[in-house]
Amino acid sequence: DIQMTQSPSSLSASIGDRVTITCRASQTISTYLNWYQQKPGKAPNLLIYAESILQSGVPSRFSGSGSGTDFTLTITSLQPEDFATYYCQQSYRTPPTFGGGTKVEIK
Amino acid sequence: EVQLVESGGGLVQPGGSLRLSCAGYGFTFSGYAMHWVRQAPGQGLEYVSGIDSNGDRTYYANSLKGRFSISRDNSKNTLYLQVGSLRVEDMAVYYCARGGFASPMFDGWGQGTLVTVSS
Repeated sequence: DIQMTQSPSSLSASIGDRVTITCRASQTISTYLNWYQQKPGKAPNLLIYAESILQSGVPSRFSGSGSGTDFTLTITSLQPEDFATYYCQQSYRTPPTFGGGTKVEIK
Repeated sequence: EVQLVESGGGLVQPGGSLRLSCAGYGFTFSGYAMHWVRQAPGQGLEYVSGIDSNGDRTYYANSLKGRFSISRDNSKNTLYLQVGSLRVEDMAVYYCARGGFASPMFDGWGQGTLVTVSS
């Protein structure tokens, strides 16, 4: 299986901050990389697919970039509703696999 | 609106079995591949299994092969996961999710059903 490694595992940030989360694949996955947001007690929610395409309804402050093995999720101006855990997931090869998650907390 | 509703979770003893169900509403269930993803308490997401829209092809996380069996009944708009020889480490919230089969990204999720494994 392809291993997905996220960093950092957690971070503290303030409202309005720019936040960057990285995801690295154990082999090249082209742009088959998806990002999810999960809030406590809730199911995950798709944010970005195919590396950089925003799912319908997702605010434009979220963006994705990268290709090959290294990817980034950026939140340009952190809002109160963005405090959550974020997961990357590769869809290049089955079975799909997730990163370990990055918890974004309030500073 | 995509709605997925899981059921069938509960308390089971180690070595026991369960069948989880996921009913789909608001979309053409038979037109989509479906998947199971689980999350142990306080842990991250772990992929479990997927099935194509017709139920002809399946795949599993390599670590879970043999004890889990995915199936679907498109006449009932329902996805299933048969879980056997349950272990303490199988304790998790099990989510069903809608996604592609060859390169799945999950654009709809259920609320999850909790499986507790304890004697």
